[in-house]
Amino acid sequence: TQLLEQSPQFLSIQEGENLTVYCNSSSVFSSLQWYRQEPGEGPVLLVTVVTGGEVKKLKRLTFQFGDARKDSSLHITAAQPGDTGLYLCAGAETGNTPLVFGKGTRLSVIA
Amino acid sequence: EPEVTQTPSHQVTQMGQEVILRCVPISNHLYFYWYRQILGQKVEFLVSFYNNEISEKSEIFDDQFSVERPDGSNFTLKIRSTKLEDSAMYFCASRIGANVLTFGAGSRLTVL
Repeated sequence: TQLLEQSPQFLSIQEGENLTVYCNSSSVFSSLQWYRQEPGEGPVLLVTVVTGGEVKKLKRLTFQFGDARKDSSLHITAAQPGDTGLYLCAGAETGNTPLVFGKGTRLSVIA
Repeated sequence: EPEVTQTPSHQVTQMGQEVILRCVPISNHLYFYWYRQILGQKVEFLVSFYNNEISEKSEIFDDQFSVERPDGSNFTLKIRSTKLEDSAMYFCASRIGANVLTFGAGSRLTVL
């Protein structure tokens, strides 16, 4: 059974600070995705990474896929209150196997 | 932007009752999924559906659960006899090809 461990579980920071959240597994994934989930809504895709060592940037968000495709990180620069939410990583073993989700990191950015 | 639509947004039911949750996936998508999220816990895979049949299901998806695509647009999840532990948010998702899912807003099921 593939497991994705996310850390930290909770993170509360001041506006303007930088932060990194992690997603780790002992399994190898063909792709790994990061979602953001607002209360009462479904997960919304932020990015997909597929190549070991890949780095993708989405404005102030930087996503990295580990060289061995077992882990990933999400770095937010100069966090803003609008970044507050639940960040989920999800991985798939192959292109057609179901996504497995981590428990998420709940981020709170205080103005 | 195309979206996955789920109804109802919230359903309250008595234990032992049957529940049907409905989803309208994005029209040109080919793969359909149900996931659930118990309050405070992670999003868990239930079942995937492709070419009018179940392609994969998890241990959670026991005989009390069934899925159907009755008319080429709706994708339903039926829980035959609900239990208290079925209380959760149920998310429908769909994709066209690459393993990138679009999720609906979810249906909150409360079993009393």
